[in-house]
Amino acid sequence: DTAVSQTPKYLVTQMGNDKSIKCEQNLGHDTMYWYKQDSKKFLKIMFSYNNKELIINETVPNRFSPKSPDKAHLNLHINSLELGDSAVYFCASGAYEQYFGPGTRLTVT
Amino acid sequence: GQNIDQPTEMTATEGAIVQINCTYQTSGFNGLFWYQQHAGEAPTFLSYNVLDGLEEKGRFSSFLSRSKGYSYLLLKELQMKDSASYLCAVRDGQAGTALIFGKGTTLSVSS
Repeated sequence: DTAVSQTPKYLVTQMGNDKSIKCEQNLGHDTMYWYKQDSKKFLKIMFSYNNKELIINETVPNRFSPKSPDKAHLNLHINSLELGDSAVYFCASGAYEQYFGPGTRLTVT
Repeated sequence: GQNIDQPTEMTATEGAIVQINCTYQTSGFNGLFWYQQHAGEAPTFLSYNVLDGLEEKGRFSSFLSRSKGYSYLLLKELQMKDSASYLCAVRDGQAGTALIFGKGTTLSVSS
């Protein structure tokens, strides 16, 4: 039973396109997150959601928008993709010990 | 603001002990975490310290000194499978429950 799942695992797309990454957790956690890991492996928080309310929005371009249809899901929608958006995006859940999804490797060409 | 420093790379041999240090500066400290990340995989939780002292969990131990803004992760009886990146992260109370990560320490264990 996968605790935190993400789809797709790999995403290759062209500049200017719009794409979404889906995340689901079956742990019953109230808080979910999106992290971005760049080519230098630096992991940085993008968003936090608690009971469907946005808690943190770091200095992330407004082309990125998190959407949470319910407590178990937090999707990431990205508009007008740019080359610099290429990275691995991790979804996570939990308030103390955080559980990470397998990651989505986004490549923008 | 937040600042977390840890060595970029370390090497060790099987069976040895290695200590990975982490120093941090945050505006509102609310816990320090260590995560392990193998290449191409997701980070996995190793340890959590919120009070000063040592937390031991099998071959891994983590230490925290809040007054010094300092933590270390101690790995004993190293195995080849311990080759991975080790990420130090803090939870800044002013930033909710999200983790602020250091840039990670890549540990290479050789035979």
